[in-house]
Amino acid sequence: AQSVTQLDSHVSVSEGTPVLLRCNYSSSYSPSLFWYVQHPNKGLQLLLKYTSAATLVKGINGFEAEFKKSETSFHLTKPSAHMSDAAEYFCVVSDQDYKLSFGAGTTVTVRA
Amino acid sequence: EAGVTQFPSHSVIEKGQTVTLRCDPISGHDNLYWYRRVMGKEIKFLLHFVKESKQDESGMPNNRFLAERTGGTYSTLKVQPAELEDSGVYFCASSQVGTGSYEQYFGPGTRLTVT
Repeated sequence: AQSVTQLDSHVSVSEGTPVLLRCNYSSSYSPSLFWYVQHPNKGLQLLLKYTSAATLVKGINGFEAEFKKSETSFHLTKPSAHMSDAAEYFCVVSDQDYKLSFGAGTTVTVRA
Repeated sequence: EAGVTQFPSHSVIEKGQTVTLRCDPISGHDNLYWYRRVMGKEIKFLLHFVKESKQDESGMPNNRFLAERTGGTYSTLKVQPAELEDSGVYFCASSQVGTGSYEQYFGPGTRLTVT
């Protein structure tokens, strides 16, 4: 069985400051892990993915995530938040090649 | 290249009525998935097609939901009769077969409101 826990339902940051979104997963297999983002009235967009290669994964728009097997974590970070980063972010796990399990989502607010 | 498209973007129907949602995957993608997010809950897997065959429909909530993918291209998801608890956002996604990356491309979703 696979599951994801996003530890924060809401995160508020000031523009130009770092962003940290926390995610812990549970999986019976070697999982694939993803972060997706959904901007208002838009579809889900893939930010980055981990599929058993490098543990530090770089994604689009300056985001990156580190896979830590010992901690079963896959936290998402960005060094400097931009107003356009305001959105809902989903941590996703898959231990099979198709069925995705989503976390509850973290809503990011960026203050000017 | 066009992304995954879904129609309609919004639908408001009364309890007991029928609604059909449509998804057009990215051209050439054999895998097609349906997911749903009801208010305040996580996005949940509903089912998975490979071409026109249902590979896994373990997430379908009950027999009021019927998904089809005739010809292995677009897919429809019919809810008949709709109930209040069916309200939510229905997402469609597609992916290629055999790429190994497991990346799924999502559409914008259909927001269904049952009153």
